[in-house]
Amino acid sequence: GAVVSQHPSRVICKSGTSVKIECRSLDFQATTMFWYRQFPKQSLMLMATSNEGSKATYEQGVEKDKFLINHASLTLSTLTVTSAHPEDSSFYICSARDAGQGGYGYTFGSGTRLTVV
Amino acid sequence: AQSVTQLGSHVSVSEGALVLLRCNYSSSVPPYLFWYVQYPNQGLQLLLKYTSAATLVKGINGFEAEFKKSETSFHLTKPSAHMSDAAEYFCAVSESGGYQKVTFGTGTKLQVIP
Repeated sequence: GAVVSQHPSRVICKSGTSVKIECRSLDFQATTMFWYRQFPKQSLMLMATSNEGSKATYEQGVEKDKFLINHASLTLSTLTVTSAHPEDSSFYICSARDAGQGGYGYTFGSGTRLTVV
Repeated sequence: AQSVTQLGSHVSVSEGALVLLRCNYSSSVPPYLFWYVQYPNQGLQLLLKYTSAATLVKGINGFEAEFKKSETSFHLTKPSAHMSDAAEYFCAVSESGGYQKVTFGTGTKLQVIP
């Protein structure tokens, strides 16, 4: 089945630095990828929709200059948290849409636990 | 607009007992509906999905869900709970017909008591 690889699984960074999270579709091409943020004991909140070769679409309230998304190829999307602060600490999950599943197959990565100290 | 309501943030069942996790949805167009399971510090795994075909959907690990349009519900069930079923479960909705984003419910944590 479709596999999405997300890296790193855990990262600790100092306040003020930037962190890049990668999301790769391993055995399918993903024209659309989604980035979610999950706070402890809460649901997933969509941050942005990443489209290959074009600008990402951000949800209301998400700072596009802080959360930079790049979808340069059909198999890779990256989320960069710039000038990270402790309040950015969260669990970030990517999801890729596998068109081979008839247009409604969403495969999730294993998530990245970001801790900003 | 679309939304999902999961009744009960925590559900406890005895091992071998019926599992019932409730989900009600709201959608302005015919929806696609999903149930996902999440283990601690992991991503989400798709259990099953409804995409306007059969209203009773069977998924992995013995789970199934029934789409009831009149009740706008998509409850998840399993006849007999296993210890390995302990996890967090998310119901989700997506508007059909295209590359639509998925909206998740707030999740239900399932505890299985030996």
